[in-house]
Amino acid sequence: QVQLQESRPGLVKPSETLSLTCTVSGDSISGDWWSWIRQPAGKGLEWIGRIYSSGSANYNPSLKSRVTMSEDTSKNQFSLKLRSVTAADTAVYYCARGGPNMHVWGQGTTVTVSS
Amino acid sequence: QSVLTQPPSASGTPGQRVTISCSGSTSNIGPNYVYWFQQLPGTAPKLLIHTDNQRPSGVPDRFSGSRSGTSASLAISGLRSEDEADYYCAAWDGSLSAVVFGGGTKLTVL
Repeated sequence: QVQLQESRPGLVKPSETLSLTCTVSGDSISGDWWSWIRQPAGKGLEWIGRIYSSGSANYNPSLKSRVTMSEDTSKNQFSLKLRSVTAADTAVYYCARGGPNMHVWGQGTTVTVSS
Repeated sequence: QSVLTQPPSASGTPGQRVTISCSGSTSNIGPNYVYWFQQLPGTAPKLLIHTDNQRPSGVPDRFSGSRSGTSASLAISGLRSEDEADYYCAAWDGSLSAVVFGGGTKLTVL
């Protein structure tokens, strides 16, 4: 079955760029939407954005100025870059297949923004 | 402040039927499908209901969804202790061109 695995950047310094990659196994990323979602500790889910295998993307308007998503079909991966991070970007970050029909999720990776 | 509105908490006793509401607007729930996710403690969310009322394979038929106007609801019948979790609704918002979530409802099985 399809499995998603987020990379583990761990600690990111304030004002720097958070970079995450989601590696997909069990199916090709071609021909589908792929999303990023985050969840600060003790809070709800926040959709960050989605990318289609053709490169089309939609982003959360509240994050749009700082977010870029991309895909690499040769590696069966898609990626997230979030610029100028602050402590408010500390969260568990999930990648998922679909959007809004997010039917397969990665296990999540914790990203902490701290100097 | 979430675009979709859910009650922060709900509760019930084993065997009871519980419903969780999700209120939106004419730009999201009104014209678009609603999805429900279950998040057990310490785990990633899991798709529970898609396209308003369809259950993915493996989801018990105790879970059901419905949509009417700009609101949707999730019903859980025959409540079990293992249903204790956070539940989130989501939909596409055409005005925002984005997926929007509800704030989540924490279900407690008493």
